[in-house]
Amino acid sequence: AQSVAQPEDQVNVAEGNPLTVKCTYSVSGNPYLFWYVQYPNRGLQFLLKYITGDNLVKGSYGFEAEFNKSQTSFHLKKPSALVSDSALYFCAVRDTISGGYNKLIFGAGTRLAVHP
Amino acid sequence: EAQVTQNPRYLITVTGKKLTVTCSQNMNHEYMSWYRQDPGLGLRQIYYSMNVEVTDKGDVPEGYKVSRKEKRNFPLILESPSPNQTSLYFCASRDFSSYEQYFGPGTRLTVT
Repeated sequence: AQSVAQPEDQVNVAEGNPLTVKCTYSVSGNPYLFWYVQYPNRGLQFLLKYITGDNLVKGSYGFEAEFNKSQTSFHLKKPSALVSDSALYFCAVRDTISGGYNKLIFGAGTRLAVHP
Repeated sequence: EAQVTQNPRYLITVTGKKLTVTCSQNMNHEYMSWYRQDPGLGLRQIYYSMNVEVTDKGDVPEGYKVSRKEKRNFPLILESPSPNQTSLYFCASRDFSSYEQYFGPGTRLTVT
């Protein structure tokens, strides 16, 4: 079955430190991978995507993600965390089996808390 | 400004009282969808639409209806809401050939 796993419910990091939010996936065929962020009382916002090409993808707000095919992972990273990065982060993968053209399968989300 | 709007943002209702949550986008997107967000479950797709008068079930369609009479609007209808439909609902849209979805601000529904 196709799925996305975000193994950590919450990640705590001090401001200025590097952060990593983990994501692993299971999908048939080539994975199309995405990260979205949800700030309090807001809808999800697109951060970045991997379709093909360079395994290191750069996105909005200084975030980047590394695609690792052998480990089926797509971890979100940032070299220096800001308090304003505190939010709920969702990893998603394109569904390649069901209908719903380009439907996304979302992980359960990881809450990032950046402390001053 | 490109946006997806939803109304109402908050709704408390009682079991069995029909309700509609509206969704509208101003980006001329073909594809629209509804999700519900529950703790520990992430977002699950309820229904989607690939264009006017073309709708299909997502992963959790039971208890919901949708319609797409105009390209910009995609209302979600709960004919007889039940407490297990208490959730946070998001509408999203995208260009048909794109992967980047634009989400509305969410509607928090409580059914008592």
